[in-house]
Amino acid sequence: GENVEQHPSTLSVQEGDSAVIKCTYSDSASNYFPWYKQELGKGPQLIIDIRSNVGEKKDQRIAVTLNKTAKHFSLHITETQPEDSAVYFCAASMETGNQFYFGTGTSLTVIP
Amino acid sequence: ETGVTQTPRHLVMGMTNKKSLKCEQHLGHNAMYWYKQSAKKPLELMFVYSLEERVENNSVPSRFSPECPNSSHLFLHLHTLQPEDSALYLCASSQDYSGWDEQFFGPGTRLTVL
Repeated sequence: GENVEQHPSTLSVQEGDSAVIKCTYSDSASNYFPWYKQELGKGPQLIIDIRSNVGEKKDQRIAVTLNKTAKHFSLHITETQPEDSAVYFCAASMETGNQFYFGTGTSLTVIP
Repeated sequence: ETGVTQTPRHLVMGMTNKKSLKCEQHLGHNAMYWYKQSAKKPLELMFVYSLEERVENNSVPSRFSPECPNSSHLFLHLHTLQPEDSALYLCASSQDYSGWDEQFFGPGTRLTVL
């Protein structure tokens, strides 16, 4: 089955700096890559996603890039704010079936 | 609020107890999921129901028993658990059982097995 690896496991940045989280996947059939944010005491919530026919997608301060050849995708957060502090999970799935394969998570701390 | 609620939020139980976790979604979705979340591990999919029928059962021990009485409710019945079953149990729902549908998660039940 699919194997998703995520790095780093923890990340601390100063407020206003950028943060980058990277994931790799193993199954070339995966074609949907969502990113979820989990705040303390809450369940994960989708923040951005990308499909395999797109190389990059941006939503305000958040962007995701996908390199299908290398089988890796990344989350970029610019101008970080304290409220960005949370655990971020990447995932991979295929259109047929809905099993999301999640990474192990990145705990992001934005230092004011 | 994501439209998915879970009760109780915290549960402490002994190894011989029987308890149930409840999940309710108010989104009109057709698919519901149970996940186990342990520290430093990926979210582990346990069960999937689509249109009230179980479609995935990922080698979960029989001490976990799911029930989906209707498309809005999902239960996880627990009995004779082990300490290693202590974790956060998350419920999620999606519009359909499709690889591209966003999953909406509840806040989870923090389970501690003594």
